[in-house]
Parts: sequence; C-alpha cells; structure tokens
Amino acid sequence: ETGVTQTPRHLVMGMTNKKSLKCEQHLGHNAMYWYKQSAKKPLELMFVYSLEERVENNSVPSRFSPECPNSSHLFLHLHTLQPEDSALYLCASSQEQSYEQYFGPGTRLTVT
Amino acid sequence: GQQVMQIPQYQHVQEGEDFTTYCNSSTTLSNIQWYKQRPGGHPVFLIQLVKSGEVKKQKRLTFQFGEAKKNSSLHITATQTTDVGTYFCAGKPSNTGKLIFGQGTTLQVKP
Repeated sequence: ETGVTQTPRHLVMGMTNKKSLKCEQHLGHNAMYWYKQSAKKPLELMFVYSLEERVENNSVPSRFSPECPNSSHLFLHLHTLQPEDSALYLCASSQEQSYEQYFGPGTRLTVT
Repeated sequence: GQQVMQIPQYQHVQEGEDFTTYCNSSTTLSNIQWYKQRPGGHPVFLIQLVKSGEVKKQKRLTFQFGEAKKNSSLHITATQTTDVGTYFCAGKPSNTGKLIFGQGTTLQVKP
C-alpha cells in the first residue's frame, strides 16, 4: 500500500460513454500526475498538477479532461473514447515535482 | 526534445545469472530515480541518485550514476525469480523540473 488509491480498478466503457477515474493520495504531497501505460509503450505522462494548478498537459486529446479539486484528489474525466485509449491509467503523487513518485494501483480501462 | 533512453528493452536470464540495465540521457541530469514494476503491478520507487559517480547498493542491486550525470545503470547480482519485472529509470534534466521516464527494461528469470 503506497498511500495512493485509485478507483475503479477496472472499467469497461463504450465509445459514447462518459466516465471518471478517481485518485486520492494520503501522503500530504503537493504534486499529482496521470500516466497512461499501454502494452507497447512506456509510461506516457499525461498531466501534472502542482499545488492544484495544472502545470503540464502533454498534447493529450480533449476527450481526456483532468480535474484537481484539492491537493489530495485528482480526477480524469473520459468521454467519447476510442479503442486505442484502452490502457492502464496510473495516478502518482510526489512531495514536489521531480521528487520520487508514489504510484497508485492503476485503473485498467477497456474501450469497446 | 529531452529523452531518457533505456537498454535493453527485454532481457531473459537464467536464475543465478547477473543482469544489467542502462539508462542514457541526452542532457545532464540533476538526479536519477529507479523504479520496479512487477507483472500486473504498478511502478514502485527503488532509489534516487544525485551525485556524480554515486554508487548505492540495496542487497543484490547496485545503482550507479555516471561521472557526467548523463547515464546510470542498475546491476542485479545472482538474479532470483522474485526479480522479475520491468525496471524504469527516470531522470530530471538540470534545466527543467520535469521527471522523464525511460522505456523500461523487462527482466524475465528462468528458474
């Protein structure tokens, strides 16, 4: 248990659905991250939040929309996804950017 | 853009053999971190190196940071089946606050 939780752990959704992934960290960290990990690609950084402000958006399609209401919670809102968006979505947190990151267990997303 | 490259991508070894993965950056790094991801799991932080030429050990694992702070290595002595997984390096370029992950090296150990 790393102190970072993610829900749901598994999600199957159709291309027209809207769903949200949730991440919560209990470590008092100031930075939170969303990563995408697919079978043939390394960890792809999607978004970075520092002190609840988005500091990085790595050319992620608009069908992915992050939200950070406070320093402990991070959401990833999904809509009109494509089958190629099927992947493991990992949330992580760190004390500050560039410090060691603590990852949650991930949400395994399948888009049908 | 700034990149962190890791080799090899895959490595199969017989239990008891040694294993090394290498990490190379296109720019000077202020620090480098190593993570391990077990099959079906999530990345777990192993260690951070900060100083030029630094060497740290964790039991059978030896981590090195190059003198120029542009490369690093992880060496496992006498691998065991519990070492199976993907090992990621992640470097922070000196001129940014961003941590860049390498592609990872996936280790398989045959008993």
